[in-house]
Amino acid sequence: EVQLVESGGGLVQPGGSLRLSCAASGFTFSGYWMSWVRQAPGKGLEWVATINQDGSGKYYVDSVKGRFTISRDNAKNSLYLQMNSLRAEDTAVYYCARDGRSLTGNPFDYWGQGTLVTVSS
Amino acid sequence: DIQMTQSPSSLSASVGDRVTITCRASQSISSYLNWYQQKPGKAPNVVIYAASNLQSGVPSRFSGSGSGTDFTLTISSLQPEDFATYYCQQTYSTPRTFGQGTKVEIK
Repeated sequence: EVQLVESGGGLVQPGGSLRLSCAASGFTFSGYWMSWVRQAPGKGLEWVATINQDGSGKYYVDSVKGRFTISRDNAKNSLYLQMNSLRAEDTAVYYCARDGRSLTGNPFDYWGQGTLVTVSS
Repeated sequence: DIQMTQSPSSLSASVGDRVTITCRASQSISSYLNWYQQKPGKAPNVVIYAASNLQSGVPSRFSGSGSGTDFTLTISSLQPEDFATYYCQQTYSTPRTFGQGTKVEIK
């Protein structure tokens, strides 16, 4: 059974940092692109970042470029999102999602339960 | 960036109704269009991928069509468990943009 379990969310002050983790199991983690998607309270889904199988290709939404870093450790079957210089508008539930085996055309077919990040003083 | 526009933003329907949601891309995305269902407090689930392919385990009352810039999600006979918010998403290019969502409510 495919499982994705996020952790690391919490309350952080503006300008602070947080590192999210996503533990994957039930599939060959190193064979898939992986993504982070967020959802602000009462709002829609927003794609945040995507990483390829070996970590050499990373893509970000403009609003987080230079502040967030996506990474992975295939030996630990884990995905990460390092978030720096956090702003109030980064407040959201953050989901990790399994992407496909290529950059183009694949749905996000498995999602974690989400972890809440609240940026507030 | 490719913009995805869904309509309507919300709709009210009764059990048994036929429901259609549309999604328009700001440029051609071939058939790289997915539909997700999200219930309150839960993660989204894919229902249709590549415009018209039914995800495994999803009831056959769900169907998708379209290519290029115009796409539709149809629920042929709305069931109580289908009341949720639906999002389209393009995976033709990054950023992998979502539509703003369509909330399907009980009439």
